[in-house]
Amino acid sequence: NAGVTQTPKFRVLKTGQSMTLLCAQDMNHEYMYWYRQDPGMGLRLIHYSVGEGTTAKGEVPDGYNVSRLKKQNFLLGLESAAPSQTSVYFCASSRDREGNQPQHFGDGTRLSIL
Amino acid sequence: LAKTTQPISMDSYEGQEVNITCSHNNIATNDYITWYQQFPSQGPRFIIQGYKTKVTNEVASLFIPADRKSSTLSLPRVSLSDTAVYYCLVGDLSASKIIFGSGTRLSIRP
Repeated sequence: NAGVTQTPKFRVLKTGQSMTLLCAQDMNHEYMYWYRQDPGMGLRLIHYSVGEGTTAKGEVPDGYNVSRLKKQNFLLGLESAAPSQTSVYFCASSRDREGNQPQHFGDGTRLSIL
Repeated sequence: LAKTTQPISMDSYEGQEVNITCSHNNIATNDYITWYQQFPSQGPRFIIQGYKTKVTNEVASLFIPADRKSSTLSLPRVSLSDTAVYYCLVGDLSASKIIFGSGTRLSIRP
């Protein structure tokens, strides 16, 4: 079983460039999440979705946009990349909100902004 | 919002039992407590989840006192492969925040 798959695994961007990170899950989960993790830190929630066609802001949403056009996919977009967005990005999914069901994580996308 | 506090690091030896305690003084009535394990260059992996008292699965136990202001993850007979960062998480998605905290870096020695 694939679980949660993130594409790409690595990317280097120049300041001001745009890109989209793709997250795909094959578990028919309703909830999906995007986090960022900076060196030596815990994960911080960027945006999340409670179902197809819905999105909501997390703790650190500024500079990012998301879309959930299909239940199995959750896209994270950077319209104008900044060096402060250099981080490892993790996608996760769950059947229900965290309090009831645990999250399943992908292996991350390492993004460097020069 | 239920912020969590954990020790930054812990050391132990193979075969020992390891207990990691997490404080969450502002836990809400509907919040569950979840623990994750993270290895370098990987996403976090679910270990165990509980609401109150004690929960046990094939890899760990979770002890939660009656006031639920803290929880303790217990790893029996650790091995070198248990070296990882462990996160305590109290979820509150309805408040748009899931607080992972900085985690506990556990190092197991031979």
